[in-house]
This record gives sequence, structure tokens and C-alpha cells, in this order.
Amino acid sequence: GNSVTQMEGPVTLSEEAFLTINCTYTATGYPSLFWYVQYPGEGLQLLLKATKADDKGSNKGFEATYRKETTSFHLEKGSVQVSDSAVYFCALSDPGGSYIPTFGRGTSLIVHP
Amino acid sequence: GAVVSQHPSRVICKSGTSVKIECRSLDFQATTMFWYRQFPKKSLMLMATSNEGSKATYEQGVEKDKFLINHASLTLSTLTVTSAHPEDSSFYICSARDLTTGGEEDEQFFGPGTRLTVL
Repeated sequence: GNSVTQMEGPVTLSEEAFLTINCTYTATGYPSLFWYVQYPGEGLQLLLKATKADDKGSNKGFEATYRKETTSFHLEKGSVQVSDSAVYFCALSDPGGSYIPTFGRGTSLIVHP
Repeated sequence: GAVVSQHPSRVICKSGTSVKIECRSLDFQATTMFWYRQFPKKSLMLMATSNEGSKATYEQGVEKDKFLINHASLTLSTLTVTSAHPEDSSFYICSARDLTTGGEEDEQFFGPGTRLTVL
């Protein structure tokens, strides 16, 4: 079956530091890949997505590249801000699975001033 | 983007009572809605898939008699937690998919969540 594995958190960084949150996946088909962000007490918001190999999704300074050869979709940002503190979820949606999404466990990011 | 609302945002109830949570798509028709449960420091657990006009499909291990789902219209799905107990306390999130206006099949829009506390 499909699965998504994210690095354990929390990830604690100082403002302006470089961020990487690792995500790898297994899927039976050709999935779309997503990063969602959840701020405290809120639901999930789509941060970025990529629908095929070598696509790069980007939004708000975050980016992630769909790497089929390493089955990865790592999230990166060059300079984090305090306001980026949230939980980040990697997910996949597999057309072979009726597009029902599979989520990773989430990685908490804490950014200190 | 499309907007999904949930009501209430927070509810506290006594053990043994039933609680209804509404999920609405505000500016699109949602042919399919999903209900998730989120435990502290854990990922989202898909509870069920709700299709308009038909019975919900529940994931393994989810009690369908306890978590009643109704998707009576293209803009509203409800989750009723029947005879709630403290172990049902959790954060419940719905999401909706819009396939009627050319939306991508893999794109979902999430509600803000409902915090249920059962005393």
C-alpha cells in the first residue's frame, strides 16, 4: 500500500536559518505529492504540490522537488521566519487509490527569534 | 481557492450525549468529502469518505454506528458522534473535493477543524 514517511520533529531553528524537512514515499502508481501546513488550532492549508517527476512546487519561499528516483519530496526554505512555526504534513494522492490521500505523521517546526 | 467551513469550531459535551459537526463547501459543490481525526502529535487518520447521495465508506476500525456520516447535499456533510465518551475527544477535520468545475481530482480543501472535548 501507499505510505509517507517524514522526519521526526520537532525541528527547532533560529530565524533566518535554512530549513529542510525530509519526506519519502511509497506508492503503487504515479502519485501527486503535497505539503500541507497546519497552524496551531487550525485545519490544514495546502502549501505546495507537484504532480509529476521533476516538478518543483513552490509557495511563500518554500519549495519541494518531486524526485522519482529517490521517491522523495523534501521541503526546503532558505530563510525561515517565526511565523513559519507550524506543523508540516507531507502527503500523496494516488489515482490508483481513488485519490484518497495518504499523510505523513507531520513535523513540527519551531522558529525562535 | 475554494473554502470549506466547519461548525462548531469547539464543542464540550457530557459523556453519553451525541454531537453533530457540520462541514460545508461555501463556493463549490463537493461531490466527495472526507472526515479525519487528529490525535495530539499524530497524523491525520482518515475515518470515512462521504459521497453525496450515497452511504459513506468507512475505514477499517472506524465504528460506523458510532460515527454517523450524512452527505445529503453537494455542499453539506455532517458527522455525528453518538453516545460520546472521553476517548472520543479529538480534533476532527473535514475536507472536500471539487470535481464539478474542472477542479483537479487530487486537490482537496480542508475545513478549519472542530475540537471535541467529552467530559
